[in-house]
Amino acid sequence: GAVVSQHPSRVICKSGTSVKIECRSLDFQATTMFWYRQFPKQSLMLMATSNEGSKATYEQGVEKDKFLINHASLTLSTLTVTSAHPEDSSFYICSASGIGGQYEQYFGPGTRLTVT
Amino acid sequence: KNEVEQSPQNLTAQEGEFITINCSYSVGISALHWLQQHPGGGIVSLFMLSSGKKKHGRLIATINIQEKHSSLHITASHPRDSAVYICAVTGYGGSQGNLIFGKGTKLSVKP
Repeated sequence: GAVVSQHPSRVICKSGTSVKIECRSLDFQATTMFWYRQFPKQSLMLMATSNEGSKATYEQGVEKDKFLINHASLTLSTLTVTSAHPEDSSFYICSASGIGGQYEQYFGPGTRLTVT
Repeated sequence: KNEVEQSPQNLTAQEGEFITINCSYSVGISALHWLQQHPGGGIVSLFMLSSGKKKHGRLIATINIQEKHSSLHITASHPRDSAVYICAVTGYGGSQGNLIFGKGTKLSVKP
């Protein structure tokens, strides 16, 4: 099946700093990428949907100025957590959907963010 | 009431046992997904189905659209199958990202 990678897999940062997480589709062109957040023992929560070359669509309650999403190419989307705070500590997962892959999503391995 | 309900929430089995995880949903759907999340957190998409039955190795997924119910079966279970299994649906007419997730079933297979 299609492969989606995320980098880094784990990151620890200090409060007030910004962190960038990359999501790459390795063997297909991802027209749409999704960013999810998962708190411990909770379901995934969709944060935003990004289509290549256009602005991301954020879900209600997700601050677009805090969680900057860029989808500059068909194989790369980035999520930048700006001015991170301890409450931003979470597991961030991306998924990608390719051309012709209606409803099919391929998930990345996730990034564990800890803000101290 | 959640739109996607899974049962059981937790399941412990002995190696070799046949396992069934159930998923019921209350909305019209375009597709249903079964996902596997290992303790490290990474998610693997196991199946996407909108009708009938799919099989991959020891895993079988079935869906009954009329009854709004899906099952995931694992034959000859193995400790490496230990993970959280998540059912998610794409609501009818919804965009690809609008997955509605169940809370997951935590499976532990003992040797």
